[in-house]
Amino acid sequence: AQRVTQPEKLLSVFKGAPVELKCNYSYSGSPELFWYVQYSRQRLQLLLRHISRESIKGFTADLNKGETSFHLKKPFAQEEDSAMYYCALALTQGGSEKLVFGKGTKLTVNP
Amino acid sequence: EPEVTQTPSHQVTQMGQEVILRCVPISNHLYFYWYRQILGQKVEFLVSFYNNEISEKSEIFDDQFSVERPDGSNFTLKIRSTKLEDSAMYFCASSVGVISDEQFFGPGTRLTVL
Repeated sequence: AQRVTQPEKLLSVFKGAPVELKCNYSYSGSPELFWYVQYSRQRLQLLLRHISRESIKGFTADLNKGETSFHLKKPFAQEEDSAMYYCALALTQGGSEKLVFGKGTKLTVNP
Repeated sequence: EPEVTQTPSHQVTQMGQEVILRCVPISNHLYFYWYRQILGQKVEFLVSFYNNEISEKSEIFDDQFSVERPDGSNFTLKIRSTKLEDSAMYFCASSVGVISDEQFFGPGTRLTVL
């Protein structure tokens, strides 16, 4: 079955420290993976997707098919990075696409 | 920048009552979705909608649920007879296309069933 696992419910780091939010997936096909972020009192928004291989707000994520992982990393965390982060797997079937989300990791960046 | 909007932001209803949650997707988007998030749990897919019909629905989306695009702008989720376990945050989303197209989410409607 398709599944996304985010093992850390909470993650707390200090400003300037590196941060890594873990995501593992289970999917037999070719995965399409995303990271969504939800800042306090705001809506879910796309942070980055693996196919674009871009860096957004200093965050990067590399798809590792061997380890079935898509961990989100940032070398120097900022206080404004505090938010809920959701890893999501896109499943395309019959002309539509749905997202399968992990449970999310709440990141707190302390001053 | 265009956004997905949802109304109401919070709906309180009695068990057994019907509720309609409303969404206005981004105007040039063609694919529409409903997700829900029970407190403390993950965001779960409910249904996708394209070309005026359901493309896919999850096991959660049983006969008590229905979706409709009654006009060119609104996209609604109806729960016919609400249960306590329907209490959740309901998110509407829309996208231009599929295949890794970004889904844009609304702010959510918090449904509380008493």
